[in-house]
Amino acid sequence: AQSVTQLDSQVPVFEEAPVELRCNYSSSVSVYLFWYVQYPNQGLQLLLKYLSGSTLVKGINGFEAEFNKSQTSFHLRKPSVHISDTAEYFCAVEGGNKLTFGTGTQLKVEL
Amino acid sequence: ETGVTQTPRHLVMGMTNKKSLKCEQHLGHNAMYWYKQSAKKPLELMFVYNFKEQTENNSVPSRFSPECPNSSHLFLHLHTLQPEDSALYLCASSQEGPGHKDVSYGYTFGSGTRLTVV
Repeated sequence: AQSVTQLDSQVPVFEEAPVELRCNYSSSVSVYLFWYVQYPNQGLQLLLKYLSGSTLVKGINGFEAEFNKSQTSFHLRKPSVHISDTAEYFCAVEGGNKLTFGTGTQLKVEL
Repeated sequence: ETGVTQTPRHLVMGMTNKKSLKCEQHLGHNAMYWYKQSAKKPLELMFVYNFKEQTENNSVPSRFSPECPNSSHLFLHLHTLQPEDSALYLCASSQEGPGHKDVSYGYTFGSGTRLTVV
């Protein structure tokens, strides 16, 4: 069994400020880790993924995430956010061909 | 057309109606999924089809009936729904198989069908 915890349901941040969205997971098997973004009235779009290798993963739109096995975390970061980054972000873990999502974090970027 | 296409985008139906949601993928993937997204809840996996065979049914009520006629099309047939079934229904596809994760890009999602049961 596997689970994903996104502790922050909402994260407000000012434009051009850095942001970190937290994700912790638990699993009894080796996993692959993903971050997805959902803009209003749209489906989920893949931001980045960790399969193996370097623990720092770079994705689209300037986002990056770091896999930390000892802390079972996969936090998402961006050094400078833009208004257009306002969306809901989902962390997901895939193990045993099953993709499990967290409850999502609503990122709200303000001027 | 590319990606995963879902129709209709919005659907309002009464509790006694019968309707169907359609999903089509143009990616050559061999696995397709239905997810339910309700407010304040994690995405719930409903059904999984691998090579047109249903491989998972997560205790979904029988008022939801999936159909996968081929590896590119997936339907969700709805009948006698309840108001609590109102949600965004998302379809996704992926390429499953040995070593696929090194070349695939995870799951590809459609834009969803916003279902309202009245």
